[in-house]
Amino acid sequence: GQQLNQSPQSMFIQEGEDVSMNCTSSSIFNTWLWYKQDPGEGPVLLIALYKAGELTSNGRLTAQFGITRKDSFLNISASIPSDVGIYFCAGLLTGTASKLTFGTGTRLQVTL
Amino acid sequence: ETGVTQTPRHLVMGMTNKKSLKCEQHLGHNAMYWYKQSAKKPLELMFVYSLEERVENNSVPSRFSPECPNSSHLFLHLHTLQPEDSALYLCASSQVMTVGDTQYFGPGTRLTVL
Repeated sequence: GQQLNQSPQSMFIQEGEDVSMNCTSSSIFNTWLWYKQDPGEGPVLLIALYKAGELTSNGRLTAQFGITRKDSFLNISASIPSDVGIYFCAGLLTGTASKLTFGTGTRLQVTL
Repeated sequence: ETGVTQTPRHLVMGMTNKKSLKCEQHLGHNAMYWYKQSAKKPLELMFVYSLEERVENNSVPSRFSPECPNSSHLFLHLHTLQPEDSALYLCASSQVMTVGDTQYFGPGTRLTVL
């Protein structure tokens, strides 16, 4: 089956630093999604990417849909304490019933 | 209410109990999903309902029984669970058959099986 490799698994950074994480897949997707999950809560959608090569920003977040359709990255600029959480990438093949494949997550810790 | 809601948020049950998880979406979507999230594992898709019909059952044990009475409501009926079924159960919804349909998640039900 499809697998998503997400890296790094965890990051410890200082407030104000930039962060970069990425996902790679063994097969192509036609949508890439990035979610953030706080403890005890459901994932919240951050950015959705629908076209190969697309670069999309949402405030301090920027994500790109790789040109090969097998990878995506998420950057966070000037991190703040509320950025702490687990970030998941997810690939989607749209069809009759959309089936998301999730990465294993990147746990982000921000220190003051 | 907006978005996707789930009740209860926390549930503790014995292995012989029967309970149900409820999900409601207020987004006008036509597909709903149940996921299981265990520690240190990727989210696992359990069930998919599209236009109120079950279209996916990823080899989930029969002690989990979904029900989708209409496009806004989804239930997960639980009976004779095992301790390894303890996890965060997440509901999601989306609008399928559209370009770039995206899944929106509820806050989850934290289930503990004793």
